[in-house]
Amino acid sequence: NAGVTQTPKFRILKIGQSMTLQCTQDMNHNYMYWYRQDPGMGLKLIYYSVGAGITDKGEVPNGYNVSRSTTEDFPLRLELAAPSQTSVYFCASSYSKGGTYEQYFGPGTRLTVT
Amino acid sequence: AQSVTQLDSHVSVSEGTPVLLRCNYSSSYSPSLFWYVQHPNKGLQLLLKYTSAATLVKGINGFEAEFKKSETSFHLTKPSAHMSDAAEYFCVVTESYNTDKLIFGTGTRLQVFP
Repeated sequence: NAGVTQTPKFRILKIGQSMTLQCTQDMNHNYMYWYRQDPGMGLKLIYYSVGAGITDKGEVPNGYNVSRSTTEDFPLRLELAAPSQTSVYFCASSYSKGGTYEQYFGPGTRLTVT
Repeated sequence: AQSVTQLDSHVSVSEGTPVLLRCNYSSSYSPSLFWYVQHPNKGLQLLLKYTSAATLVKGINGFEAEFKKSETSFHLTKPSAHMSDAAEYFCVVTESYNTDKLIFGTGTRLQVFP
């Protein structure tokens, strides 16, 4: 039981490049989330999903896209990377609503855009 | 709108002395509140949660927090700090009633000196 896994751990992108951050969970959780963490700040929600085929925007969705074709996977796509997207990205999952059930976090992806 | 304020960005204690990490919240309803811990280069882990049951909540690793509605506070305490407690701690509140979205505080970095 690996929990929530994320790849890659680190990545450096040039401005305008694109990439996909991968997230997989093996706990059969319905809810999955993408957060970004900027230095000295708390986590901010980018996108979330309440089940396969269903996604919705969080607080800071601009510049990102997501899809959820399976229960296990919730990739985050960055199109036309910008320096403002330099951050640490965390994927999380929960059995049901995060307010009631614990969210389990992956180890994060540290992204630098130069 | 719901929010959390962590009153200290850094707290330093000596090993074996008490820990107090302060959190105030703002909410228009009776919220769910959480403390998460993030060790260096790791994902976040749930320490404890309050969901309108007992106001004194016990968590993992000897931590506990008390929900005080009159003071809108949810401070985290531990009687005796251990070196392994050095980490970033986040106070978190649910965005609204029965929601799957969380709002994170900006974090408190706890240093433990020998």
